[in-house]
Amino acid sequence: AQSVSQHNHHVILSEAASLELGCNYSYGGTVNLFWYVQYPGQHLQLLLKYFSGDPLVKGIKGFEAEFIKSKFSFNLRKPSVQWSDTAEYFCAVNARQAGTALIFGKGTTLSVSS
Amino acid sequence: ETGVTQTPRHLVMGMTNKKSLKCEQHLGHNAMYWYKQSAKKPLELMFVYNFKEQTENNSVPSRFSPECPNSSHLFLHLHTLQPEDSALYLCASSPYLGGEKDYTFGSGTRLTVV
Repeated sequence: AQSVSQHNHHVILSEAASLELGCNYSYGGTVNLFWYVQYPGQHLQLLLKYFSGDPLVKGIKGFEAEFIKSKFSFNLRKPSVQWSDTAEYFCAVNARQAGTALIFGKGTTLSVSS
Repeated sequence: ETGVTQTPRHLVMGMTNKKSLKCEQHLGHNAMYWYKQSAKKPLELMFVYNFKEQTENNSVPSRFSPECPNSSHLFLHLHTLQPEDSALYLCASSPYLGGEKDYTFGSGTRLTVV
């Protein structure tokens, strides 16, 4: 079975600081990887995803993530955060061949001060 | 609205009550999911339905009973719940189970068990 670890529970940054949120997964086979964001009071929405090809994927609002297979990692990055990036961020994985549902990490709360 | 509608948005119930949560989507998706979101825990996958058939029950107590009468509707029937069942219950759908297609989430039902 798959599992996901997000190491940062709460990250506090000032505007314009760079962001990197860690995500590691546990699964021996091929996976699809996702980052979702939940803004305060809103529903979960997709930031970006990786399923094949270039391991560096770009998503909405200037976010990107890099899949490093050897490290079982899919870290989320943004060069310069804004106050509006304050939200909860979830990494998720599913097994490509097995047809399984998404398994989520615990989430990381990002607070950006202006 | 996300395309996945959950009702009610808020629910307070006593431990001896019976209530139901409803989820509806008209996106043409064939897979539907129930997740439980508690503070400081991962989104916990509860149930998975694919083409109206339950494919996964993630060791959920029997006081939670899902029902999927058709591909557009998903219910979660609740009875004799415990206070620790208080959480945000999220419904999601996707075109099919597994694969790289992302999920569409509803806004959730905030459940409080008193």
